[in-house]
Amino acid sequence: AQSVTQPDIHITVSEGASLELRCNYSYGATPYLFWYVQSPGQGLQLLLKYFSGDTLVQGIKGFEAEFKRSQSSFNLRKPSVHWSDAAEYFCAVATGTASKLTFGTGTRLQVTL
Amino acid sequence: SQTIHQWPATLVQPVGSPLSLECTVEGTSNPNLYWYRQAAGRGLQLLFYSVGIGQISSEVPQNLSASRPQDRQFILSSKKLLLSDSGFYLCAWSERVDYGYTFGSGTRLTVV
Repeated sequence: AQSVTQPDIHITVSEGASLELRCNYSYGATPYLFWYVQSPGQGLQLLLKYFSGDTLVQGIKGFEAEFKRSQSSFNLRKPSVHWSDAAEYFCAVATGTASKLTFGTGTRLQVTL
Repeated sequence: SQTIHQWPATLVQPVGSPLSLECTVEGTSNPNLYWYRQAAGRGLQLLFYSVGIGQISSEVPQNLSASRPQDRQFILSSKKLLLSDSGFYLCAWSERVDYGYTFGSGTRLTVV
């Protein structure tokens, strides 16, 4: 079965600094990969997704993620973080044979001014 | 465009009382529908999913049940709530899993 690991529970960065959130997945073939963001008390919003083609994908709000098959990773990046990016971020994986996403445990991002 | 509605936004219920949370999707047909629970400080736990009317798959045996009486309606229920049922409940829909999910705004349930 597929699984997702987000090794960082909590990350703090300064506004304007770069950001990288880690995500590792476990699955034999190329999975469908997603990053979601959740503001406090809200639902989840899709930031970006990957399932084929260019391994560097662009998303909303200036985020990007890179799929690295050799490392089974799909890390989320942003060159310059804004205070409004403070939220919880979830990586998720799906396979073609399942109708459901498996989510990581999330990384809470705190942004200091 | 497609929209998803989930209500109520917050709910405080006594232990042993029943529960009914409703989720509806507009602007699409035959969506895949999902119920997730998010406990404080934890990730998302898939509770139920449905790929069609009357088709419910349960991921975690527990005090809850789900039903899909209409194509775009998904209901989460309990006959008797437990304290451990407290959490943030999220409904989601997808047309295809590789498209990702669209989530509702969630229901904060507190069982007292």
